[in-house]
Amino acid sequence: GAGVSQTPSNKVTEKGKYVELRCDPISGHTALYWYRQSLGQGPEFLIYFQGTGAADDSGLPNDRFFAVRPEGSVSTLKIQRTERGDSAVYLCASSLTRTASNYGYTFGSGTRLTVV
Amino acid sequence: LAKTTQPISMDSYEGQEVNITCSHNNIATNDYITWYQQFPSQGPRFIIQGYKTKVTNEVASLFIPADRKSSTLSLPRVSLSDTAVYYCLVGESNDMRFGAGTRLTVKP
Repeated sequence: GAGVSQTPSNKVTEKGKYVELRCDPISGHTALYWYRQSLGQGPEFLIYFQGTGAADDSGLPNDRFFAVRPEGSVSTLKIQRTERGDSAVYLCASSLTRTASNYGYTFGSGTRLTVV
Repeated sequence: LAKTTQPISMDSYEGQEVNITCSHNNIATNDYITWYQQFPSQGPRFIIQGYKTKVTNEVASLFIPADRKSSTLSLPRVSLSDTAVYYCLVGESNDMRFGAGTRLTVKP
């Protein structure tokens, strides 16, 4: 597609439930990133994929968070046993390559997750 | 990863030039400087990237002194629609880390 697509745009879930957030990157972009953004703060890095593999998952806060990108395109961020502190906007971005370029990344509009 | 420091907020008026400076004292040789803009309820949008001296595109200019320990994003003749948060990032690759950014408010 023309941009990075994230679904759903909003998700409300009960504490303790499992959620999946989907990211459809720009076609041909090999690098895919997940960030989390709380109100009034900058995006917080979670994980970076190069192709199908997670090249850097150092930002995942704990083992309740997991992400996959099985075919090197669409990625799913999975959160188990959600907690109220997981409430945030989850942003996905993609870029043609990992190295710095004149285009940076392209972000999606995010999924607003609310845990009640 | 190089740490960046930028003002928390700035105010300006329509039609003025706005300069936002970012400090990055421990920038590494291979690091680039990238600026993003973010509007409410949207993901950040790439504005400009540079390595040294001056870079200009249709949206902004980026000034980087010879020591590269700081950079200045220049927005010419801002309008109300330029009200947003602006992030300065420094890194060798695209997997960069965001700080809190500078909240620019443009007033009529």
